Amino acid sequence: DVKVTQSSRYLVKRTGEKVFLECVQDMDHENMFWYRQDPGLGLRLIYFSYDVKMKEKGDIPEGYSVSREKKERFSLILESASTNQTSMYLCASGGNEQFFGPGTRLTVL
Amino acid sequence: RKEVEQDPGPFNVPEGATVAFNCTYSNSASQSFFWYRQDCRKEPKLLMSVYSSGNEDGRFTAQLNRASQYISLLIRDSKLSDSATYLCVVNVDSNYQLIWGAGTKLIIKP
Repeated sequence: DVKVTQSSRYLVKRTGEKVFLECVQDMDHENMFWYRQDPGLGLRLIYFSYDVKMKEKGDIPEGYSVSREKKERFSLILESASTNQTSMYLCASGGNEQFFGPGTRLTVL
Repeated sequence: RKEVEQDPGPFNVPEGATVAFNCTYSNSASQSFFWYRQDCRKEPKLLMSVYSSGNEDGRFTAQLNRASQYISLLIRDSKLSDSATYLCVVNVDSNYQLIWGAGTKLIIKP
């Protein structure tokens, strides 16, 4: 069974904290993606990576960075969390068919 | 204007009925089209691709109208388990940057 896992299902952080969200896939996919999902807005692409150590900005990269040191792992970093980054964060891998992790619901207080 | 627009619903439909909903996209250069399904508090999963010639998978039929820039999803003989949010997804180029609609919520009632 193919799998994308995310490090946390729920996370509560304080404003200004550095936050790491980790994602691991076992499908040997080259492409990996980080999205956030907010009510009424749909999924918005933050960053994606098409290869190890490669990254591309998506539609809303401000306030985020990413790291892809290994093919199976793609990390999203919030350098200094803010309340407007409270959201559901979804990691995916694949191409047109994207396989998603269960999501991390991040609350920034 | 959003790049991919969907009626958010909810569509409340009795079990066994047929339901259809559309999605419009703004970029005429869009190349690939998909419907994903997202259950409550779950991650999205691919339901079906939408081809120029249409696509049918059991009770589900998807159609593409390039001239009017919309895709549709038809569900026949709806089941309680069809209750979910249906996400319309478009790919404009070949680098897999998908553009997602906000979803249409469907509730099937017994």
